This record gives sequence, C-alpha cells and structure tokens, in this order.
Amino acid sequence: AAGVIQSPRHLIKEKRETATLKCYPIPRHDTVYWYQQGPGQDPQFLISFYEKMQSDKGSIPDRFSAQQFSDYHSELNMSSLELGDSALYFCASSPSGGGPPSGANVLTFGAGSRLTVL
Amino acid sequence: AQSVTQLGSHVSVSEGALVLLRCNYSSSVPPYLFWYVQYPNQGLQLLLKYTSAATLVKGINGFEAEFKKSETSFHLTKPSAHMSDAAEYFCAVSSSGGYQKVTFGIGTKLQVIP
Repeated sequence: AAGVIQSPRHLIKEKRETATLKCYPIPRHDTVYWYQQGPGQDPQFLISFYEKMQSDKGSIPDRFSAQQFSDYHSELNMSSLELGDSALYFCASSPSGGGPPSGANVLTFGAGSRLTVL
Repeated sequence: AQSVTQLGSHVSVSEGALVLLRCNYSSSVPPYLFWYVQYPNQGLQLLLKYTSAATLVKGINGFEAEFKKSETSFHLTKPSAHMSDAAEYFCAVSSSGGYQKVTFGIGTKLQVIP
C-alpha cells in the first residue's frame, strides 16, 4: 500500500540558509500535517492543510512557511535556518472529515526528513 | 484543549515480562486516543487507536490498551515483552468528529533487558 513519501530523507544546511521539505500524502488523503521532533522530544505540531487551505497552525516560526498544492502534496519552506531548527520533520496525511466510518482522524506518518543545521 | 501525560520517560522490563506504559488524557470533548511507536531513526507507526467503540483496543505486535473514562487513562500493555519491542512509544489524543490535529505526549522509551 502507498505510504506518505517525504523528501529528502536527510538534509544538511548551514546557518542562515534556506531549506525545502516535500511531502506526498497517501492517495485520496486531502489533509496534510507537519510536525517537528527535536532530539529527545515529542513531535510538535507545526501546521496543517485541508483542501489546499491552511486549516490549523501550531508552533511554527515565522521563518517557516508551507503550502499544499493542487495535487495535494505539500512543501515546508524554512528560511534563515538556525541551529535549533535541527530536527526530524514529519509529514502526515489523513482523509477528510475524519475518514473511515469510525470517525477517527488517523494520521499516517512519513518516515521523516532529518534536517541538520551546522 | 487536549493533552496527554505519559508517566515515566524511561521504562525497563525483562524479556518475557509484562509491559505497562501509562497514559492519562485531558480533553474537553470525547477524545480519540492513539498509541504510536517509533523505532530508532524511523517514523511514527500507529499501534492502536480508540475511537469510542470498544473500550479494550487490540493493536499490532500483541499490544492492547483500555480506555477508562473514569480514570481518564489509556494505558498500553503487552503480556510478554520481546527484545524487538524496544522503542519509543507515544500516546496521542485528538478530538472526535472530523478534522483535528493529534497532540502527542512526551514519549516513553521502552528498554527490554535480556
């Protein structure tokens, strides 16, 4: 079965550089979420999109932006990178309206993109 | 507002012993509850979910969890630990009904001792 695809898997950048992470959701999933997991920490919600519109916003820095495209893939753009941005960035997708009859908003996560800022 | 509290950031059990990972939730509306597992350098994998059906939920790899409303708990258990169960486990909550983001607990690292 198709899963959530994230690219690149690993990325190394210098301080003040820019990085772009991509996420390809499961087919027919129209909701995408971005999470940031720092070393030894739990995943923190950054932002989500439903039908190409931003649906919720969490602890996303102003230096970061994201969007969802017409094919439902999403990109997370990070500028003026700081050392503290080094983390594992997860994308997750889910079907709309809670999806399956159970109504559970079950997120399926990608393997993550590991960003290292030097 | 919703949150989960995981008691114990590190848990060690002997191989073959009972695994018990604790999670308590707080939610102003009926919650959906989840346990995710994360192996080193990997993504988050759903173990099991509670979605207001049966209170005892069975998941993959022999894990199960019981939703107890009176205790606002959703503890994860497995009768007999295997070495392959060593990983980090995250309890998570979302509100029922339609789109809602999932909020994670801080995670519990499970160590299995041979």
